[in-house]
Amino acid sequence: IAGITQAPTSQILAAGRRMTLRCTQDMRHNAMYWYRQDLGLGLRLIHYSNTAGTTGKGEVPDGYSVSRANTDDFPLTLASAVPSQTSVYFCASSDQGELHNEQFFGPGTRLTVL
Amino acid sequence: GQNIDQPTEMTATEGAIVQINCTYQTSGFNGLFWYQQHAGEAPTFLSYNVLDGLEEKGRFSSFLSRSKGYSYLLLKELQMKDSASYLCAPLDSNYQLIWGAGTKLIIKP
Repeated sequence: IAGITQAPTSQILAAGRRMTLRCTQDMRHNAMYWYRQDLGLGLRLIHYSNTAGTTGKGEVPDGYSVSRANTDDFPLTLASAVPSQTSVYFCASSDQGELHNEQFFGPGTRLTVL
Repeated sequence: GQNIDQPTEMTATEGAIVQINCTYQTSGFNGLFWYQQHAGEAPTFLSYNVLDGLEEKGRFSSFLSRSKGYSYLLLKELQMKDSASYLCAPLDSNYQLIWGAGTKLIIKP
């Protein structure tokens, strides 16, 4: 079934630990995105990648890193987690060649940093 | 700066019509999206407008006025399953989506 998968579904993490959130899409979309969503706030872009091999910083990149070694995978790493990174994380992808660049979202990862 | 303004919460009755408004200010403009998000789930695409006017898709319609920086989502024949948050998101000059905080729509029987 085509779509985006994220892992893990949820995670409780001790502050200071390193964590990688995984995201994989099988739609051959060129662009991928990582967002965080906090109560009362809109989705905020962390990092994005317009094509394999390139990445860019979004609105809230500090404390996060990404890589895009191939078209399908776009992992997000928290090098040393802090409680303010407690959030729901959504990965999304889009085909920027399409007329309106619709973004498709994964199911999300709920992360709690204690 | 970039700014999206939409009501935080709205309540409507099953079977009725509701209009959710969105005003925006962005650096450049390449269209506007509406997404639906049920509690605990991912956002899903509802509509896209790039030209002024009304786009109709079944029970849902979306309107855009580029000169006014204004859009609305119109939901007809409301059903209980329409209880969700509705996210307004214009596409800026870099083709990045700028997300509003969303409007939580509560449907009452």
